[in-house]
Amino acid sequence: AQKVTQAQTEISVVEKEDVTLDCVYETRDTTYYLFWYKQPPSGELVFLIRRNSFDEQNEISGRYSWNFQKSTSSFNFTITASQVVDSAVYFCALYSNDYKLSFGAGTTVTVRA
Amino acid sequence: EAQVTQNPRYLITVTGKKLTVTCSQNMNHEYMSWYRQDPGLGLRQIYYSMNVEVTDKGDVPEGYKVSRKEKRNFPLILESPSPNQTSLYFCASSPNPLGVGNTEAFFGQGTRLTVV
Repeated sequence: AQKVTQAQTEISVVEKEDVTLDCVYETRDTTYYLFWYKQPPSGELVFLIRRNSFDEQNEISGRYSWNFQKSTSSFNFTITASQVVDSAVYFCALYSNDYKLSFGAGTTVTVRA
Repeated sequence: EAQVTQNPRYLITVTGKKLTVTCSQNMNHEYMSWYRQDPGLGLRQIYYSMNVEVTDKGDVPEGYKVSRKEKRNFPLILESPSPNQTSLYFCASSPNPLGVGNTEAFFGQGTRLTVV
């Protein structure tokens, strides 16, 4: 069975602070895929990143960066210089060989002006 | 515009009254799935479909049915809804299972269902 744990339920920061969201996963498969999705207050799910288990390179996209470490089964997400528009629920998800996409419980980020 | 369309967006119904939530995608995707989102639990997969006439259970299939008679549509059926099925439901599609190619899941706007 696979599992995704997002231990942080809520994070509140002041604008321009950096915020890091933790994601720890469990799977027995050697091939798997990790995702981050953003759910703004409007409710839709917005795809942020997909990473496969063979690619441990960290990635940066604008103010967003991701740190993938297989040794600790973690795929953490950092928002640099946060903005009010970053306020949302963020989900980490895992997909492996059973055709199921497993989500963590989500982390609610509130950025105060 | 490429999209996944769910209807209705909001629904309040009574216990036991059969309902269907429709999901349609215009991207010719083979893989479709349904999720429910509950506070503190994230999204959990209900059913998925690899292609027409091919469906399988996800993690929480009890109380739900699906069908895939044509590629673009994947309706979620609640034969006898109960209050514990009150939730936010999402339909998703992708060109193929997420482990193939550089694919992502495209999600619908969500359907908020309340069963009283």
